[in-house]
Amino acid sequence: GDSVTQMEGPVTLSEEAFLTINCTYTATGYPSLFWYVQYPGEGLQLLLKATKADDKGSNKGFEATYRKETTSFHLEKGSVQVSDSAVYFCALSSPPSNTGKLIFGQGTTLQVKP
Amino acid sequence: NAGVTQTPKFQVLKTGQSMTLQCAQDMNHNSMYWYRQDPGMGLRLIYYSASEGTTDKGEVPNGYNVSRLNKREFSLRLESAAPSQTSVYFCASHLAGGPNEQFFGPGTRLTVL
Repeated sequence: GDSVTQMEGPVTLSEEAFLTINCTYTATGYPSLFWYVQYPGEGLQLLLKATKADDKGSNKGFEATYRKETTSFHLEKGSVQVSDSAVYFCALSSPPSNTGKLIFGQGTTLQVKP
Repeated sequence: NAGVTQTPKFQVLKTGQSMTLQCAQDMNHNSMYWYRQDPGMGLRLIYYSASEGTTDKGEVPNGYNVSRLNKREFSLRLESAAPSQTSVYFCASHLAGGPNEQFFGPGTRLTVL
């Protein structure tokens, strides 16, 4: 079945460092890909998404490119801030997806130190 | 608009007790979901409802029941709680018809002793 694998955490960085969180997927067909973020004590919220190969999703300085050849959707940010400390989830939705069902990776905790 | 709301925020149960987690959304979304979040395991789908009047099992349905009361409300019931059901439970909703985002509630932290 479909699955998502994220890099193990926690990831600890200093402020202004470059961030990469790896995400790879296994899916039949052509899924849509998502990154969600969960701040402490809150529910998940969508960070960015990409719906077809070579699409780049971006939001709040974060970017991820849908790479079909490597089945990857790595999250990057050029300069992290303390406020980016959160848990990041990679997820996919496989067609037919009119129900919107998502499959999540295990999450990667990011801690940014001043 | 409140988005997706969940009650209660916290709950402690004893083994064998029952309870219902409530979820409501005010975005006129068709689909609603219940997930549980456990350390190192991401979110796992318990049940979902693609539209009013329908419900389907997800990845981990055992020990749970759901009711899609109307388009707004989707409740999750634990008939006889077990320690293995200690988790954080999230409700989400989605506007059907494509790769639209799911909107999540703030979660219910449940401890079963």
